[in-house]
Amino acid sequence: GAVVSQHPSWVICKSGTSVKIECRSLDFQATTMFWYRQFPKQSLMLMATSNEGSKATYEQGVEKDKFLINHASLTLSTLTVTSAHPEDSSFYICSASNPQAIVTEAFFGQGTRLTVV
Amino acid sequence: AQSVTQLGSHVSVSEGALVLLRCNYSSSVPPYLFWYVQYPNQGLQLLLKYTSAATLVKGINGFEAEFKKSETSFHLTKPSAHMSDAAEYFCAVSSYSSASKIIFGSGTRLSIRP
Repeated sequence: GAVVSQHPSWVICKSGTSVKIECRSLDFQATTMFWYRQFPKQSLMLMATSNEGSKATYEQGVEKDKFLINHASLTLSTLTVTSAHPEDSSFYICSASNPQAIVTEAFFGQGTRLTVV
Repeated sequence: AQSVTQLGSHVSVSEGALVLLRCNYSSSVPPYLFWYVQYPNQGLQLLLKYTSAATLVKGINGFEAEFKKSETSFHLTKPSAHMSDAAEYFCAVSSYSSASKIIFGSGTRLSIRP
């Protein structure tokens, strides 16, 4: 099946610094990717829809200047957490789908655990 | 707008007993429905999905779910629980027009008693 890879799988950063998380579709081209955030013992909340070659669409309540999304190619979307603070510590997961597939299915990355100290 | 409601944040069953995790959906268009499992400190694994074909969907690890339009439900069942089934389970919904934009329920933690 299709594979979506996230990097890094975990990261620790100092408060005030920025962190970039990559989401790659390894064997298909994804015009659309999605970013989710999961706080401990909570569900996955959709943050934004990443569109190749255009601006991301953010869900209500998500700060677009805080969470910068760049989808510069058909196989890569990046999420940059700018000026990270401890409350940004969370599990971030991306998903992608193959628009050429007969049945569209979302494939999830393995997630990135961010800890801000 | 689409949403799913999972009834019961925590379910505990004995090993060998029936597992029943409840999910109700709300959607203004025909939904696609999913069940995912998440083990501690890991990503998501798709258990099964409903995409408007057969209403009884069989998934991996002996799980199955039945789409009931009249009840707007998509409950997950397994006849006999194993210790390895202990995990967090998420019901989720999307639609044909936006099949990959998945909205998750709040999750149900399944515990298995020896």
